[in-house]
Amino acid sequence: TQLLEQSPQFLSIQEGENLTVYCNSSSVFSSLQWYRQEPGEGPVLLVTVVTGGEVKKLKRLTFQFGDARKDSSLHITAAQPGDTGLYLCAVNSGGSNYKLTFGKGTLLTVNP
Amino acid sequence: DTGVSQNPRHKITKRGQNVTFRCDPISEHNRLYWYRQTLGQGPEFLTYFQNEAQLEKSRLLSDRFSAERPKGSFSTLEIQRTEQGDSAMYLCASSSRGTAGGTQYFGPGTRLLVL
Repeated sequence: TQLLEQSPQFLSIQEGENLTVYCNSSSVFSSLQWYRQEPGEGPVLLVTVVTGGEVKKLKRLTFQFGDARKDSSLHITAAQPGDTGLYLCAVNSGGSNYKLTFGKGTLLTVNP
Repeated sequence: DTGVSQNPRHKITKRGQNVTFRCDPISEHNRLYWYRQTLGQGPEFLTYFQNEAQLEKSRLLSDRFSAERPKGSFSTLEIQRTEQGDSAMYLCASSSRGTAGGTQYFGPGTRLLVL
């Protein structure tokens, strides 16, 4: 059983469209992180959300942490081809403050 | 700050051969991590160093795998007697000391293909 379930697994959209991807779990977390990974590269941290109900914005990206701190969403407004990549959510797990557990990711393709 | 670097970026080897990968973390970071990522999956934790001490090893790290960080700076990950199932991207990350472990900065990875 995956600790973090991400959906959808794949998403292909046209430039200018909006989209939302999800990261869900039955566990409660003290914080959750979103990463973007481009082909052939390592993941790059986008944001860390900590407080239940928290909303953070990063240009056209809006991140929300669920009230119960079990789930999170990432909304992209007016997607651009440069947004193409694998979006991963991750949490510290196993009682550690260093070991990250990742979801399988959402592979986003934005077509020009 | 040049970020985390990994070498080589790509490695093709034949089954049964030994391979070694190197990771150079961000210079002031005392924590170093190795992860493995297979196709269609997110990265999976392999092992963690604080300075030169290896503090945790995942059960994913079989006896054929060994990681070292001899002087608390760069790290090496060796796989002995490689198997086709070892084919994956091997990612290294580093972070500085912090109450929550600090943000982990990932390198570009080493992609291993075992034929």
